[in-house]
Amino acid sequence: RKEVEQDPGPFNVPEGATVAFNCTYSNSASQSFFWYRQDCRKEPKLLMSVYSSGNEDGRFTAQLNRASQYISLLIRDSKLSDSATYLCVVSPLNEKLTFGTGTRLTIIP
Amino acid sequence: ETGVTQTPRHLVMGMTNKKSLKCEQHLGHNAMYWYKQSAKKPLELMFVYNFKEQTENNSVPSRFSPECPNSSHLFLHLHTLQPEDSALYLCASSLDRGYYGYTFGSGTRLTVV
Repeated sequence: RKEVEQDPGPFNVPEGATVAFNCTYSNSASQSFFWYRQDCRKEPKLLMSVYSSGNEDGRFTAQLNRASQYISLLIRDSKLSDSATYLCVVSPLNEKLTFGTGTRLTIIP
Repeated sequence: ETGVTQTPRHLVMGMTNKKSLKCEQHLGHNAMYWYKQSAKKPLELMFVYNFKEQTENNSVPSRFSPECPNSSHLFLHLHTLQPEDSALYLCASSLDRGYYGYTFGSGTRLTVV
């Protein structure tokens, strides 16, 4: 089983719609969780950390479900500029980050 | 600019060449990393340095040789590479290992011919 598993997509979503992706992880000792965004031919950039209680940043909401070992990312009122690959990242405490392969999202005008 | 600077941005090298990739950060971070990103694959961790000491070598072939002269600079020396080594090489840094998110450089797109 992969350490971090994501649906590669692509997700093609009309502008203004809400889209959600999940990511599952295999290491129950994982303590830190992040979503990164990577634009085509660019470096990954931290989108948001994921906290146990869930957290929101504008149109983006991240949730953690430790019992089922998955994290989710919800994007509301999607914009064309949201088109990117979204990387799920997990880590045990003070250990290296493990990246998923990413979910490709395209917002359609 | 992210605060992590990588040079060169693009590199084409022959299989018999020797070249070096450079990474520099002035974020006050203590940990630095080399990653390889190939098409359709997750980021592959190559090396980890923490306070200038190499703490992880992820079974990387010896034709890749890292160097960390100080906590702000990281190099990846390349020699006798293979065409399958063509990829995007990303440097990242973090305040500490794992607990904090990483800041990535823009990467070096390497093509081995």
